[in-house]
Amino acid sequence: DIQMTQSPSTLSASVGDRVTITCRASQSISSWLAWYQQKPGKAPKLLIYKASSLESGVPSRFSGSGSGTEFTLTISSLQPDDFATYYCQQCTPRLTFGGGTKVEIK
Amino acid sequence: QVQLVESGGGLVKPGGSLRLSCAASGFTFSDYYMSWIRQAPGKGLEWVSYISSSSSYTNYADSVKGRFTISRDNAKNSLYLQMNSLRAEDTAVYYCARARRGYSYGAFDYWGQGTLVTVSS
Repeated sequence: DIQMTQSPSTLSASVGDRVTITCRASQSISSWLAWYQQKPGKAPKLLIYKASSLESGVPSRFSGSGSGTEFTLTISSLQPDDFATYYCQQCTPRLTFGGGTKVEIK
Repeated sequence: QVQLVESGGGLVKPGGSLRLSCAASGFTFSDYYMSWIRQAPGKGLEWVSYISSSSSYTNYADSVKGRFTISRDNAKNSLYLQMNSLRAEDTAVYYCARARRGYSYGAFDYWGQGTLVTVSS
């Protein structure tokens, strides 16, 4: 199965910061990548699909990029509502999730 | 609006069985691939299984293959997960999720609230 490695596992940041999370695949997945946000006790929320397409209703401060094996999720200006855990997921038949990146208040 | 509501979780002894259900509404259920995804306490997300829109194709994570069976009833707008030979490591919140149109293997655009399965003696 394709392994997804996220970094960092924890990120401390302040409101207004630009935040970048990286996800690496153990083999090429083209652009078949999604990003999710999860808050404690809640189901994950889809942010990005096909590596860079913004899901409807998601603020434009979120963006995704990359293809092949390296991908990034960027939050251009961190807002209070963005402190959460973020997961990448490769969308191939044997789908897998990254280990998660917790964005916490600095 | 789209809703997914899981039920059937609870406490079960190791080796026991449980059947989870997911009731779907607000969309044409028979048009979408559906999945079960789980999250152990304090851990990350783990895909468990998916089923195609017509039930013709299913797939399972290695960790549950041979023990879990996914199924659906499009007439009842319902998704199921039969879990047999349960182990302590199956303890998790189980979510049902809809794969975005055109994405059989995720991205998951709607999720249920989750149902907790606890395997313990």
